[in-house]
Amino acid sequence: DADVTQTPRNRITKTGKRIMLECSQTKGHDRMYWYRQDPGLGLRLIYYSFDVKDINKGEISDGYSVSRQAQAKFSLSLESAIPNQTALYFCATSDGDTKPFFGPGTRLTVL
Amino acid sequence: EDQVTQSPEALRLQEGESSSLNCSYTVSGLRGLFWYRQDPGKGPEFLFTLYSAGEEKEKERLKATLTKKESFLHITAPKPEDSATYLCAVQANLWGSQGNLIFGKGTKLSVKP
Repeated sequence: DADVTQTPRNRITKTGKRIMLECSQTKGHDRMYWYRQDPGLGLRLIYYSFDVKDINKGEISDGYSVSRQAQAKFSLSLESAIPNQTALYFCATSDGDTKPFFGPGTRLTVL
Repeated sequence: EDQVTQSPEALRLQEGESSSLNCSYTVSGLRGLFWYRQDPGKGPEFLFTLYSAGEEKEKERLKATLTKKESFLHITAPKPEDSATYLCAVQANLWGSQGNLIFGKGTKLSVKP
């Protein structure tokens, strides 16, 4: 089984719809992250969580919200999706200062 | 402001033609510099972490080096399967960005047989 799982892997939705992307991990890491990747812009941090009760905004949090349901689960929500949120979304986990381990990604298209 | 710049944006090599990718950085106290490989449509895959100037690490045809201002990823005698986007990221000290990684935009490497 994969260490970091993201669902769905692909999603096409319409402007204004609420979307939730889910991430779960079996690595036992405390820290979890949501990144967005756009062509030519690299990976940008949306939100991060150091434990269940600690959630922080990253570089580009506007239009997004998150929920850390358990140590192993971290969800990203788009309350009202817009076309410029079309991107690849990656969940990552780490243990303290160790390297982040990335999930396989979710390709989101907002029409 | 912490920043990472990778060059070139794209690099095309013939199989066996060695070259280097550059990662220049400015950061308020470097805790670590990371190299990842990313294949199309997949998540980044960890390659190396470097912590101090002068450090070098190797894995198969890849060798990463670090100075106080930049890192190089040297690719020796590349093969087509080395084709991917290579990402560089820096981790600043915990009192800066809480230790989160700051990524460059990547270098897309294509190796032709």
